[in-house]
Amino acid sequence: QVQLQESGPGLVKPSQTLSLTCTVSGGSVSNISHYWSWIRQPAGKGLEWIGRIHPTGSTIYNPSLSSRVTMSIDTSKNQFSLKLNSVTAADTAVYYCARAPKPIHLFDPWGQGTLVTVSS
Amino acid sequence: EIVLTQSPGTLSLSPGERVTLSCKASQSVSNNFLAWYRQKPGQAPRLLMYTGSTRAAGIPDRFSGSGSGTDFTLTISRLEPEDFAVYYCQQYGSSPYTFGQGTKLEI
Repeated sequence: QVQLQESGPGLVKPSQTLSLTCTVSGGSVSNISHYWSWIRQPAGKGLEWIGRIHPTGSTIYNPSLSSRVTMSIDTSKNQFSLKLNSVTAADTAVYYCARAPKPIHLFDPWGQGTLVTVSS
Repeated sequence: EIVLTQSPGTLSLSPGERVTLSCKASQSVSNNFLAWYRQKPGQAPRLLMYTGSTRAAGIPDRFSGSGSGTDFTLTISRLEPEDFAVYYCQQYGSSPYTFGQGTKLEI
């Protein structure tokens, strides 16, 4: 059974870069049948898809964030990562990683989520 | 971008009752690529339904989905205590993949 676990700093200063990693167990990020996505949820609000990466390195980002987002994948560590630069308080949210079966973007399973707060 | 509008925002119900949730899209969802998720407090969302009416693995048959085009519904035939949560619809027919704002079921 595939499990995902997010990790990274819980506090980031404004204008700096948010960096998170998702570690996959029970499965391989190298599996070309899957996409690996990031989704976020501000406190008390709805869900926003950030983007996805394929093991080939192919990425698609939400246009609302694309100028600030970079995703990467490390098959040797069975991890994929998110970087969001120039953060503001509006980027404070729980960040989830999730798997999707190529070619559709249906998210299952999800990691448990990690709260990132942007504050000085 | 496809905007999904869920209604109602909050519903107050009792265990054993039947409920239908609505999700309306601002434009047609291609291939009926519409999913539903349940999010319990403090947990990640869990996939319930996809392609409008197909239950995900392990989801009991008290959950059913229907709809096409721009109008979709999720019905829970008999509410169990674990069903009191927030439900989100999501379209995966076109990027960016978007979610509704959620419907909260409360006791």
